[in-house]
Amino acid sequence: NAGVTQTPKFRVLKTGQSMTLLCAQDMNHEYMYWYRQDPGMGLRLIHYSVGEGTTAKGEVPDGYNVSRLKKQNFLLGLESAAPSQTSVYFCASSRMAGGPFEQFFGPGTRLTVL
Amino acid sequence: KQEVTQIPAALSVPEGENLVLNCSFTDSAIYNLQWFRQDPGKGLTSLLLIQSSQREQTSGRLNASLDKSSGRSTLYIAASQPGDSATYLCAVRRARDDKIIFGKGTRLHILP
Repeated sequence: NAGVTQTPKFRVLKTGQSMTLLCAQDMNHEYMYWYRQDPGMGLRLIHYSVGEGTTAKGEVPDGYNVSRLKKQNFLLGLESAAPSQTSVYFCASSRMAGGPFEQFFGPGTRLTVL
Repeated sequence: KQEVTQIPAALSVPEGENLVLNCSFTDSAIYNLQWFRQDPGKGLTSLLLIQSSQREQTSGRLNASLDKSSGRSTLYIAASQPGDSATYLCAVRRARDDKIIFGKGTRLHILP
């Protein structure tokens, strides 16, 4: 099993450009999450999904959109990138309620917006 | 609002010592608490998961305890090694909305 994978690993954007980050998991998990990690701020939840076709806002959703068209994939989109979105982005997944809630994380995407 | 606090923010100890990392949370209505390890430039690796009904979990040299009523968890590392150097994060899964809240972590440096 590959676990949770993220593409790309690194990306540099100019202000105003758009991009999509892809997260994929092969553990048949219902829940998927997108976090950003910034120095001194810790991990903050951007958006999450409790199942295929569902999405919900987290702590810092502004400037991001997400889609969960397939159970194994969770996409994070930036429509018009801003320097404030320079960060490391992590995707995670976990089983649904009723079983162990252990979260599994991807390796991260380091995004720089110039 | 659920807050998760980890003290200290950084810790340096000589190799071989036993040490304790602390995590406190304000809302005791949680499903579980999870301890992670993060190496520089890497993702998070799950170390231990404690369900709300449990008091502790052990894995090798690691032991995590949970006192839900007082809103505290500790991660005990026995016989520390330089390879234990990393940032350790705790996270609680909030019962009322199933969201996971992270602490800011403790940066641990084991001195050879």
